[in-house]
Amino acid sequence: DAKTTQPTSMDCAEGRAANLPCNHSTISGNEYVYWYRQIHSQGPQYIIHGLKNNETNEMASLIITEDRKSSTLILPHATLRDTAVYYCIVRVGGGADGLTFGKGTHLIIQP
Amino acid sequence: DSGVTQTPKHLITATGQRVTLRCSPRSGDLSVYWYQQSLDQGLQFLIQYYNGEERAKGNILERFSAQQFPDLHSELNLSSLELGDSALYFCASSASPGLGTDTQYFGPGTRLTVL
Repeated sequence: DAKTTQPTSMDCAEGRAANLPCNHSTISGNEYVYWYRQIHSQGPQYIIHGLKNNETNEMASLIITEDRKSSTLILPHATLRDTAVYYCIVRVGGGADGLTFGKGTHLIIQP
Repeated sequence: DSGVTQTPKHLITATGQRVTLRCSPRSGDLSVYWYQQSLDQGLQFLIQYYNGEERAKGNILERFSAQQFPDLHSELNLSSLELGDSALYFCASSASPGLGTDTQYFGPGTRLTVL
């Protein structure tokens, strides 16, 4: 699976959009971009995933660049409950192995 | 709530002992994954089972073993416990690997403390 690079930490004001970047310059054509988050020792929570096209669900939007070498997770209206570690993971679709978690981005939502 | 359940929530035991952690996957999911999260190692994949068969192995120690039963629940057995085995243990489940994407949904975890 391709390696990802994320900032260690980010701050965002409550009510504003939180934009979390992820670089995955060695991504292969059959690899998906997944985002998970972990709120203080709880189980990781699936947020969204995509292959090429931008994706949106009730939690977030995922913007993938045309060359697929980077992506941005957007939380449109951040709340205090969005404070968590966010993990960007690149993985072959239907791959048999487990997910490879890096250190992620610690997003802190400020009141 | 992901639909994945894990028991117990907390477990405190002594070095040298053996414990069993249990996981029930989401309804309809055939694959179960086990992960360990310790302070110094982060979240690490241990092992995967699919429909009762071992499918993939990660950084699982020989002292650890797992199995998946016909009703699809899974157990992770940890033996000859050491202080360094203290960690959060998560189970995840997915529908079926090999069918396009297979999003993994995680349970709430079991916190193991070895004294």
